[in-house]
Amino acid sequence: RKEVEQDPGPFNVPEGATVAFNCTYSNSASQSFFWYRQDCRKEPKLLMSVYSSGNEDGRFTAQLNRASQYISLLIRDSKLSDSATYLCVVNSSYNNNDMRFGAGTRLTVKP
Amino acid sequence: GAVVSQHPSRVICKSGTSVKIECRSLDFQATTMFWYRQFPKKSLMLMATSNEGSKATYEQGVEKDKFLINHASLTLSTLTVTSAHPEDSSFYICSASRTSGMSRLSYEQYFGPGTRLTVT
Repeated sequence: RKEVEQDPGPFNVPEGATVAFNCTYSNSASQSFFWYRQDCRKEPKLLMSVYSSGNEDGRFTAQLNRASQYISLLIRDSKLSDSATYLCVVNSSYNNNDMRFGAGTRLTVKP
Repeated sequence: GAVVSQHPSRVICKSGTSVKIECRSLDFQATTMFWYRQFPKKSLMLMATSNEGSKATYEQGVEKDKFLINHASLTLSTLTVTSAHPEDSSFYICSASRTSGMSRLSYEQYFGPGTRLTVT
């Protein structure tokens, strides 16, 4: 089983739609969780950290469910510029500096 | 946000030659840097963790003699792909970790723009 699993998509949604991605992780001792965004042929960029209580940043909402070992990302009112690959990132419990990446979920927002 | 640079951004080399990639943290000190490799439409795969002043820690399956890592200062880590082969062609990305004070729950990684290596 992969350490971090994501639905690869692609998700094709119209502008203005709400879309949600889920990510599951295998290591129950993981402590830190993030969503990164990666545009084609570019480096990943931090979108948001995911906190236990859930957190929101504008149109983006992240949730963490430790019991079921998954995190989610909700994007409301999708924009064309949201088209990218969204990477779920979880740290390894053995080293808090050791992040493990999911394969990413591809989102395309269409006009 | 923190800035991490990589050089070169793109390199084409012949099979059997060696290529050095530099990773620099421009506005912060990074005691730990990471080297990843990403094949097309695949996830980032951690190759090694680079610690300033000590030997790098390599992931299982990554040959340390082929991928030489040096972390000579708090702002510079280098990856040298020795005796490159076409199967080494990939997107190599470094990152540097920046922590928020004493909080161990605030690890965030800032990525360099990546180096696209093509071995012919």
